[in-house]
Amino acid sequence: QSALTQPRSVSGSPGQSVTLSCTGTTSDVGVYKYVSWYQQHSGKAPKLIVYDVAKRPSGVPDRFSGSKSGNTASLTISGLQAEDEADYYCSSFAGTHTLFGGGTKLTVL
Amino acid sequence: QVQLVQSGSELKKPGASAKVSCKASGNTFKSYAINWVRQAPGQGLEWMGWIHTDAGNPAYAQGFTGRFVFSWDTSVSTASLQISDLKAEDTAVYFCATDISTATFGFWGQGTLVTVSS
Repeated sequence: QSALTQPRSVSGSPGQSVTLSCTGTTSDVGVYKYVSWYQQHSGKAPKLIVYDVAKRPSGVPDRFSGSKSGNTASLTISGLQAEDEADYYCSSFAGTHTLFGGGTKLTVL
Repeated sequence: QVQLVQSGSELKKPGASAKVSCKASGNTFKSYAINWVRQAPGQGLEWMGWIHTDAGNPAYAQGFTGRFVFSWDTSVSTASLQISDLKAEDTAVYFCATDISTATFGFWGQGTLVTVSS
């Protein structure tokens, strides 16, 4: 049960767009639609921002969008804002269990 | 909507046991799964497993069998995580979270820090 692969860090300037990747396998991301993304600010609980690959929970700005191609899921954040600086985790259903990625630290320059 | 409130931080010695509780309120007439997620200091999230509020049969992820036990008390709408024979590497924040869809954690507790130190 290996974790999904995420880049350790990404950065962008306010107003720019950034895309975070999440690579799994044909046993998880590649075969299930149950891919989610979570935002976690320091010292806080994670917050669901995208689920079922591309759906957004109520209250999540449409600046956050998800997609998937093959074994790789992506989260795009457009119009970066200072408050977007946080850790981002992807997760995927894997048949009998759930896998998380190692997390990506987003820095807003 | 479900609100989850967890118990407070714990400081334990190696070999002792710890119990983390997670009280659910709100939409508790609907059955759902309570998941447990571990986050070691400075590390990422790790799914530990879940217990369903209806069936009560827990499921544990690899690496969380044996010393980790999930339970659900319907009378007080509270899930519990018990960790026995604590080791230093169990030091972490433990979160409970409910699902809104398969493997989709829509509501989270605030987290409970368990510190294992002699």
